[in-house]
Amino acid sequence: DGGITQSPKYLFRKEGQNVTLSCEQNLNHDAMYWYRQDPGQGLRLIYYSQIVNDFQKGDIAEGYSVSREKKESFPLTVTSAQKNPTAFYLCASKGAWDSGANVLTFGAGSRLTVL
Amino acid sequence: AQSVTQPDIHITVSEGASLELRCNYSYGATPYLFWYVQSPGQGLQLLLKYFSGDTLVQGIKGFEAEFKRSQSSFNLRKPSVHWSDAAEYFCAVGASRNTGTASKLTFGTGTRLQVTL
Repeated sequence: DGGITQSPKYLFRKEGQNVTLSCEQNLNHDAMYWYRQDPGQGLRLIYYSQIVNDFQKGDIAEGYSVSREKKESFPLTVTSAQKNPTAFYLCASKGAWDSGANVLTFGAGSRLTVL
Repeated sequence: AQSVTQPDIHITVSEGASLELRCNYSYGATPYLFWYVQSPGQGLQLLLKYFSGDTLVQGIKGFEAEFKRSQSSFNLRKPSVHWSDAAEYFCAVGASRNTGTASKLTFGTGTRLQVTL
């Protein structure tokens, strides 16, 4: 079945360490997104990519970095510069409008805890 | 800038009772509107969407929503709630179709639904 796979599901990190969250999709979607979710704040957009080798900052990009070397993959690195990284991270993808898939499909999420 | 307001943080209903979750949006053009549901520790699942046409849209799990342009609202309804409907519900607004894959969604802060037996 097609879908989005995020790994790891749970991740613990010490302060000062960088961590990378994986996001892989086999939906053949062009666009991919990273959202951060905190209790009572909904989802906030970190980065998004419309095409391979191109990505744009979202609303809260500071302290994060991404790459898009393959259509299927959009990893997110949480750097030591991110002041409050403990959160639930959601990856999503979306197809082109005329593909009938112009809605966000989400992965199951990764929960990052900084110790 | 687009925005979404979900005024109810937490709602409790009895199983079998009707449900209405409120959503108000702010957007300068014709919006795309969505409702997603999230179970604890999981990703979001699409319940329904409005792009154009009939303002009453049907979704999965017996949910429906009505787009009211004059009120800038897109409230979610279900005539009879089941215990398995307990979850968090998010309303979202996005750009119109002309922006294609570049469109971004703005989410509300969510409404947590509790169902009592």
